[in-house]
Amino acid sequence: AQTVTQSQPEMSVQEAETVTLSCTYDTSENNYYLFWYKQPPSRQMILVIRQEAYKQQNATENRFSVNFQKAAKSFSLKISDSQLGDTAMYFCAFMKLQGAQKLVFGQGTRLTINP
Amino acid sequence: GAGVSQSPSNKVTEKGKDVELRCDPISGHTALYWYRQSLGQGLEFLIYFQGNSAPDKSGLPSDRFSAERTGGSVSTLTIQRTQQEDSAVYLCASSSNRGPYNEQFFGPGTRLTVL
Repeated sequence: AQTVTQSQPEMSVQEAETVTLSCTYDTSENNYYLFWYKQPPSRQMILVIRQEAYKQQNATENRFSVNFQKAAKSFSLKISDSQLGDTAMYFCAFMKLQGAQKLVFGQGTRLTINP
Repeated sequence: GAGVSQSPSNKVTEKGKDVELRCDPISGHTALYWYRQSLGQGLEFLIYFQGNSAPDKSGLPSDRFSAERTGGSVSTLTIQRTQQEDSAVYLCASSSNRGPYNEQFFGPGTRLTVL
């Protein structure tokens, strides 16, 4: 079975700063996907960024980028030039390539961006 | 509709009562997932429907939980004889399942409170 661990329950930074959220996972699979989701107070889960395990290049989406270390089973999210609208819960998630493709989530990190 | 919808948005019930939660997936999406998010926790998988195949019920926590998907579209999650530990946000997601990776689009969830 796969597990996902987020060791930072809460983080807080000032607007415009850079922040990194940590995530580690455990799996015996070789091919899989990793995700970061954002959940604002509205409860809507929003996909922030996706990484395919077979790709060595780290994914980037505007101010969001990941540091994917497959051997270490580490998948951190970096948010550059943080904005007030980035305040939310952030969840790291794992998905096998085959089968039901159900998501396995970490416990989440509550990120607060302060003005 | 434009996205996944869920009803009701909030549900308060008394211990021992049965509840039904509804999910309307994105039109044309063949895959549908139910997840549960307990207070301060990540999401845990409950059940997965894919087309006409038998559902993957491996995440249902007890036999008080059941779900059905009629006509390959709308899904209902039923919890019988509710307990206080069933209090959580229940999220539904759908995906198209057309390729190796199929993004799951989430609804806003139903917050269930069992008194």
